[in-house]
Amino acid sequence: NAGVTQTPKFQVLKTGQSMTLQCAQDMNHEYMSWYRQDPGMGLRLIHYSVGAGITDQGEVPNGYNVSRSTTEDFPLRLLSAAPSQTSVYFCASRETEGGNSPLHFGNGTRLTVT
Amino acid sequence: AQTVTQSQPEMSVQEAETVTLSCTYDTSENNYYLFWYKQPPSRQMILVIRQEAYKQQNATENRFSVNFQKAAKSFSLKISDSQLGDTAMYFCAFMNPVNAGNNRKLIWGLGTSLAVNP
Repeated sequence: NAGVTQTPKFQVLKTGQSMTLQCAQDMNHEYMSWYRQDPGMGLRLIHYSVGAGITDQGEVPNGYNVSRSTTEDFPLRLLSAAPSQTSVYFCASRETEGGNSPLHFGNGTRLTVT
Repeated sequence: AQTVTQSQPEMSVQEAETVTLSCTYDTSENNYYLFWYKQPPSRQMILVIRQEAYKQQNATENRFSVNFQKAAKSFSLKISDSQLGDTAMYFCAFMNPVNAGNNRKLIWGLGTSLAVNP
């Protein structure tokens, strides 16, 4: 199994540009989520989804959009990039929304907005 | 608000020795879940160990074990026979029980950077 696959690994954007971070999992997990990781701030939840067609906001959703048209894919869209969105982004999935199943993480995307 | 505190931003240990990373949390729930994740320089987040609050027995995974003290709301991670590959950032995380509804997101500590020295 590939697990959770994130692309790209690195990205540089100029302020105002848009882009989509891709996330796919092949484990048939119901729950998928996006985090950003910043020094001294830990991991902060951006958006999450408990199943296809269902998404919800996390702690820091502003400036980001998500959709979940299939169980496998959960892309994160930056509509107009800002320097404050410079961060490392992680996609993570879990078998179900309930229970104690752990999160499986992708390898992360380092995004720099200039 | 529920919080997770890792009071040691940085730690170091000699290879083959034992080190304990501390984690405390605050909750009014009785049943919940606790996790330790490892993030090596490669950036990948890897689950190290997990504990259900209703289980009194401390979880163990090879060289990794926890000291779970529910009354004290403490969940420390012990790494025995430390190896160079254990050098990483370690994150403690808390998750509410199933009946918490939409409040089931993971709550993360800020991490402890562990350096294993040869």
